[in-house]
Amino acid sequence: GAGVSQTPSNKVTEKGKYVELRCDPISGHTALYWYRQSLGQGPEFLIYFQGTGAADDSGLPNDRFFAVRPEGSVSTLKIQRTERGDSAVYLCASSFTFYNEQFFGPGTRLTVL
Amino acid sequence: KNQVEQSPQSLIILEGKNCTLQCNYTVSPFSNLRWYKQDTGRGPVSLTIMTFSENTKSNGRYTATLDADTKQSSLHITASQLSDSASYICVVSVPPNTDKLIFGTGTRLQVFP
Repeated sequence: GAGVSQTPSNKVTEKGKYVELRCDPISGHTALYWYRQSLGQGPEFLIYFQGTGAADDSGLPNDRFFAVRPEGSVSTLKIQRTERGDSAVYLCASSFTFYNEQFFGPGTRLTVL
Repeated sequence: KNQVEQSPQSLIILEGKNCTLQCNYTVSPFSNLRWYKQDTGRGPVSLTIMTFSENTKSNGRYTATLDADTKQSSLHITASQLSDSASYICVVSVPPNTDKLIFGTGTRLQVFP
């Protein structure tokens, strides 16, 4: 009965480096969402997966951001050539299918120095 | 202009008192409106979900109202407890292809003994 888990909980990297953030959704949930939350702000939508495919990636800020979900379960958010402005908490959520309640993970706090 | 605006930005109340948080949105059409509670360092947790045809929804000491004509929602907290200290975020769900969530910036509530 585990909830959504995300690893690592904290990631500190240097400007220009590549990072990967992992999300393990609740077992059986077909929908998976990534959000980014800057300090003092509400989360902003990045990308949504239904199964293995990205159903909506309109929230990805630029082509440095990419996400995959190859087997329809675990998802990885990949950020290339990180910039200081990428520093934020990256939240993952899953739901049984879209239109169902989304359950959020604890987030990964990314700090780009 | 944010599509989901909340007020006040922050609020301090004494334990046992009631309070009401406000949300105004411009998103249209929408499939549902949600209120989330987010503790520091945690992911958001759903409190209530209302479709556009619902006027009120309760969850324990939390009661949400929705006026789809004026595009306003409120969250009323009764008999506040110290554990209510958190950010409360109003969220609107955008149809039709995905359950994309648009988050407000939240109201930071602090309950003091």
